[in-house]
Amino acid sequence: KQEVTQIPAALSVPEGENLVLNCSFTDSAIYNLQWFRQDPGKGLTSLLLIQSSQREQTSGRLNASLDKSSGRSTLYIAASQPGDSATYLCAVPYSGNTPLVFGKGTRLSVIA
Amino acid sequence: DGGITQSPKYLFRKEGQNVTLSCEQNLNHDAMYWYRQDPGQGLRLIYYSQIVNDFQKGDIAEGYSVSREKKESFPLTVTSAQKNPTAFYLCASSSPSGGEDTQYFGPGTRLTVL
Repeated sequence: KQEVTQIPAALSVPEGENLVLNCSFTDSAIYNLQWFRQDPGKGLTSLLLIQSSQREQTSGRLNASLDKSSGRSTLYIAASQPGDSATYLCAVPYSGNTPLVFGKGTRLSVIA
Repeated sequence: DGGITQSPKYLFRKEGQNVTLSCEQNLNHDAMYWYRQDPGQGLRLIYYSQIVNDFQKGDIAEGYSVSREKKESFPLTVTSAQKNPTAFYLCASSSPSGGEDTQYFGPGTRLTVL
């Protein structure tokens, strides 16, 4: 059964710092991996999707990498801003490309 | 605007009542999903549907029921058999057959049992 773990559970950094969020999964035979952002009391916003054949994806100040063989992904946030404060969730499909298995998330606070 | 809508935003249920949460999408997505989120926890899958008139149980389906009579709609009923229904409920959709692997989420419904 696929399990997803995110470390750390919470992170507080000063504004302007570069940071890395970690995600690991137990079954390396994944179809893709998705990173989401969730603001308090809100739904999820998709940030990046990495297909299994890809090594990384970039969107603005965000860069996500994928190492299937080791069962790991990282989300790199450059030059963090207070507006980046949110919970970041990592997810992979149960099988194929359908429902997702989620980690518990990393709660990020960026202090001005 | 294309997207997913959920209603109501807040819902209160008395013991023994059934309640229905609405989820509608106008993205023309084939697949729809219901997840439950508890404080400090990741999302857990309740039910999903890959096509109209078909749906599958997720990890925590007990005490819940769904229907998929239309492509755009996937309502979730929380029955009195669900012993601890207080949670945040999120609906999502995607279209893997259409090349859209990304799941798009609605704003959520917060259910509280009184």
